[in-house]
Amino acid sequence: NAGVMQNPRHLVRRRGQEARLRCSPMKGHSHVYWYRQLPEEGLKFMVYLQKENIIDESGMPKERFSAEFPKEGPSILRIQQVVRGDSAAYFCASSPNRVPGANVLTFGAGSRLTVL
Amino acid sequence: AQKITQTQPGMFVQEKEAVTLDCTYDTSDPSYGLFWYKQPSSGEMIFLIYQGSYDQQNATEGRYSLNFQKARKSANLVISASQLGDSAMYFCAMREGPTGRRALTFGSGTRLQVQP
Repeated sequence: NAGVMQNPRHLVRRRGQEARLRCSPMKGHSHVYWYRQLPEEGLKFMVYLQKENIIDESGMPKERFSAEFPKEGPSILRIQQVVRGDSAAYFCASSPNRVPGANVLTFGAGSRLTVL
Repeated sequence: AQKITQTQPGMFVQEKEAVTLDCTYDTSDPSYGLFWYKQPSSGEMIFLIYQGSYDQQNATEGRYSLNFQKARKSANLVISASQLGDSAMYFCAMREGPTGRRALTFGSGTRLQVQP
């Protein structure tokens, strides 16, 4: 029973390029969350998705960032025209949707983006 | 206002002793959940313990317990019999609302160092 799978684990991009981060949730989990962590800081919420739906994108920058969770395949976080400030660890998490329930988030190992 | 406040950037504890990591939260929602995660130097996020706002008893998971004081809006993590492997960042997080339609908000974290 694989956990949350993120790839790539490490990604290096030059300024202006695009970064695509992928996340496959745990089996049986229908909710996906993306968080960003800058060095020595906590996790900042970016976006929360269900299959084919964005539930909450209040934490995602309005420009250059987009996320999707298609009916088939992994969730994708896409960053266009990357800048040095985008360098961070990007964590994906998934949860079930049991009501009521703790709905604990299970995190992937993270994707570390470095922008040169 | 900060939703989750962790006032201890760093803590030291001697091996085999107990340590308390502080967390206060701010919400007007009567239904919420509180979570603690551990992030070792390898970077992954590991779920430790959960407390629901309506739970009558403090949550416990092995050496971890949550000292839940609802009136004070605090949810401190207590680690008993510290081990060297407990050295890590610890994050407190909250989900507001009764269902799984909200993302977690994280605090800034506490770095715990266990000394031999």
